[in-house]
Amino acid sequence: DQQVKQNSPSLSVQEGRISILNCDYTNSMFDYFLWYKKYPAEGPTFLISISSIKDKNEDGRFTVFLNKSAKHLSLHIVPSQPGDSAVYFCAANRGNEKLTFGTGTRLTIIP
Amino acid sequence: DAGVIQSPRHEVTEMGQEVTLRCKPISGHNSLFWYRQTMMRGLELLIYFNNNVPIDDSGMPEDRFSAKMPNASFSTLKIQPSEPRDSAVYFCASSKTGYEQFFGPGTRLTVL
Repeated sequence: DQQVKQNSPSLSVQEGRISILNCDYTNSMFDYFLWYKKYPAEGPTFLISISSIKDKNEDGRFTVFLNKSAKHLSLHIVPSQPGDSAVYFCAANRGNEKLTFGTGTRLTIIP
Repeated sequence: DAGVIQSPRHEVTEMGQEVTLRCKPISGHNSLFWYRQTMMRGLELLIYFNNNVPIDDSGMPEDRFSAKMPNASFSTLKIQPSEPRDSAVYFCASSKTGYEQFFGPGTRLTVL
């Protein structure tokens, strides 16, 4: 039972344009959401997070949007840069417990 | 800070052999997590510890898998006997808050 889903295994975006990565979840008890970025042969690194009491959180070029009624969150990267090419994982948490990860989306930025 | 340290980085073994993966968490972090990454299932949590005590091992696939955390600076994940379907990348992560987890570089395990 995949409680966190990333339905797009891959995404290609032109450099300078906006990248939008999507994530859906099924468990309404999740109250904290995170995005991790992973380069090949490295562990995932934390990128940005959002609490369920907010609907938007911004950090530089990265913005995460949360739509609780739709159980959907998205990560926007503007403008996209070649160094953004990586696998992005969405994760969710309820209380001070384990993270449930999605299967990841491979983002490729085309120069 | 050195970050989370995992060893070995690569392990190739034959079916039936015992495999031990090692992890040193970030100093001061009180939670430690073991994950397995596969193409089909993404990142799966196997087990996590809080203050060296196992809290949730529901993700451990079967009795062939075991994990220990004898002290705050060391943990092991053991597979005995190993099988080809155990081939994956295994990550260790640690956290202070329980929310933002910091991952090690992973151990790529290949069981022939």
